[in-house]
Amino acid sequence: GQNIDQPTEMTATEGAIVQINCTYQTSGFNGLFWYQQHAGEAPTFLSYNVLDGLEEKGRFSSFLSRSKGYSYLLLKELQMKDSASYLCAVRANAGNMLTFGGGTRLMVKP
Amino acid sequence: DVKVTQSSRYLVKRTGEKVFLECVQDMDHENMFWYRQDPGLGLRLIYFSYDVKMKEKGDIPEGYSVSREKKERFSLILESASTNQTSMYLCASSSTLEQYFGPGTRLTVT
Repeated sequence: GQNIDQPTEMTATEGAIVQINCTYQTSGFNGLFWYQQHAGEAPTFLSYNVLDGLEEKGRFSSFLSRSKGYSYLLLKELQMKDSASYLCAVRANAGNMLTFGGGTRLMVKP
Repeated sequence: DVKVTQSSRYLVKRTGEKVFLECVQDMDHENMFWYRQDPGLGLRLIYFSYDVKMKEKGDIPEGYSVSREKKERFSLILESASTNQTSMYLCASSSTLEQYFGPGTRLTVT
C-alpha cells in the first residue's frame, strides 16, 4: 500500500523561512512532486525530485532522500501570497499515477 | 498555457440522480485523471485513462464510472448519486511529467 504523511497545518511569519516535511512509504518510487493549492483553486505544480538532493527554484526548494523516504519543501522570504495548501505526491511506478498526502495548510502572518 | 476545463464549478443533485461531470483539456495529453478532494483526506484517485477508450481504476472507483471517447474529453459518471459523494471533484491531464488540474467541481448531493 501507499502511505504519505505531512503535517496538517503550519504557521509562519512574513519574511521568514518555513520547511514542510513529507514522509512516504510506497510499493515503488519513481518521483516525488510538490503542488501548491490556494483556497478554492486548482493545484499547481511546484517541483519534482527523482534523485536524492536539493532542487532549487527561486524562493522554493525541494529536497529528497530516497533511503529515508523523506522530502521537504523549503520556502524562503515568505510572502502573504504563500498562504496556501502544499501537497506532496509520489509516483510509485513508470506510469503517471500519483498518490497524494493529505496536504499541509500554511498560514503566513504579518 | 495548458488549459483544463470542467463543465461546472458548482452542482447540486438529489440522491439517486445520474450525474455527469465533464473535463476537457487542450494540450493533446494522453493521460487524464479524476480525483475527489475531501478535508483531511487529500486528493484520492477515482479513475484514470491513458488513451482513448482506455481506463484504469484508481483507489476509490466504487460508485463511479468513466468515459473517454475522444482524446481531449474525460467524463466522470455517478450512476446513482449518494450523499457520501458530496465532494470537490478535480480533473487533471498529463503528458510525461506533471499533472495539470482543472478548477474543480463542487458537487453537493442532497
